[in-house]
Amino acid sequence: DAKTTQPNSMESNEEEPVHLPCNHSTISGTDYIHWYRQLPSQGPEYVIHGLTSNVNNRMASLAIAEDRKSSTLILHRATLRDAAVYYCILRASFGGSQGNLIFGKGTKLSVKP
Amino acid sequence: DTEVTQTPKHLVMGMTNKKSLKCEQHMGHRAMYWYKQKAKKPPELMFVYSYEKLSINESVPSRFSPECPNSSLLNLHLHALQPEDSALYLCASSQEGTGTSLATNEKLFFGSGTQLSVL
Repeated sequence: DAKTTQPNSMESNEEEPVHLPCNHSTISGTDYIHWYRQLPSQGPEYVIHGLTSNVNNRMASLAIAEDRKSSTLILHRATLRDAAVYYCILRASFGGSQGNLIFGKGTKLSVKP
Repeated sequence: DTEVTQTPKHLVMGMTNKKSLKCEQHMGHRAMYWYKQKAKKPPELMFVYSYEKLSINESVPSRFSPECPNSSLLNLHLHALQPEDSALYLCASSQEGTGTSLATNEKLFFGSGTQLSVL
């Protein structure tokens, strides 16, 4: 399975943008890049996903490198509620783990007031 | 209704007890999942049901027994657990069954989990 690498932790100030990086150098051409986050004492929550083009939704933006070997989750204005562990996950389009959501270690984001 | 409901929220059981965790969704989703999460670790996939059939068992010990009575319900039966099985058990659902390319373009909806303590 293709793996992802994320920093263990990051800090941000409230109301400033946050860029969360993810490396996935062994990504295959049909793997989707998904981001989930997990707030304290809650289950994971879907944030955004994409294949090749940059994506925007009400929660965040996803910037995907042209070679697809890395991506960046962008929170445009961090709030205290955005403090969570953010997981970058590749979902395989074929193979034994087709479609499975397999979590890596994630990045713990702290937001300072 | 975009909720996945898990009950109970907390469970304490002895090693000789039999208990069950319950998960329910009313979004018409055809795939349901069990994950296990130890403290400060990422969730680990245990089981996947696709169209009410067990499609994935990630080498989970037989003391964990999943059941999918219908497309809205998912149970996890627990028997003779060990203290190291203490963890947060998360249920999730998604529209399509796994094992298809459609699944890769979908999102999972997670419940808040059942915090299990085995004494």
